[in-house]
Amino acid sequence: GENVEQHPSTLSVQEGDSAVIKCTYSDSASNYFPWYKQELGKRPQLIIDIRSNVGEKKDQRIAVTLNKTAKHFSLHITETQPEDSAVYFCAASPSGGSYIPTFGRGTSLIVHP
Amino acid sequence: NAGVTQTPKFQVLKTGQSMTLQCAQDMNHNSMYWYRQDPGMGLRLIYYSASEGTTDKGEVPNGYNVSRLNKREFSLRLESAAPSQTSVYFCASRPGQGHGYTFGSGTRLTVV
Repeated sequence: GENVEQHPSTLSVQEGDSAVIKCTYSDSASNYFPWYKQELGKRPQLIIDIRSNVGEKKDQRIAVTLNKTAKHFSLHITETQPEDSAVYFCAASPSGGSYIPTFGRGTSLIVHP
Repeated sequence: NAGVTQTPKFQVLKTGQSMTLQCAQDMNHNSMYWYRQDPGMGLRLIYYSASEGTTDKGEVPNGYNVSRLNKREFSLRLESAAPSQTSVYFCASRPGQGHGYTFGSGTRLTVV
């Protein structure tokens, strides 16, 4: 089955810096890669996603890049703000079978004012 | 649009008691899911329903049962609660494969 590894587990940055979270996956058949943000005590929320036919996608201060050859994808947050502090989860979804996504273990991002 | 609604938000059970967690979505999504979230363990899939009328086991189904009552509703039942089932439970839905989840607000369950 699919295996998703997410790094780092904790990331501490100063307000205004950039943050990068990286995930690697094992199943080359995976074709859909969402990212979720979970603030403390709240539900996970989809913030951006990318499909395997696209190399990069941007939405204001966040972007996701996908390298299918190396089987990794990354979340980039520019000009970080304290409200970006949260746990971020990546996931990889297969193109067949149950289509159930496999989640990474999460990255706790702390943005210091 | 309420999205995904879960009830209750909090619950304390004694070991051996039973309860049902309710989930309803108003987005006409085909697929619904139950996850549990424990510190350091991420999100683990309990059961899912890919479409109305079907249910399947996920990664950690033992001690749970589910019912897809109709397209909107998907309930999770604990028949005999155990302390190991203390967790935060999230219901989620999506239109189908290749789409992200919309999560409910969660149920914080404590079994004593």
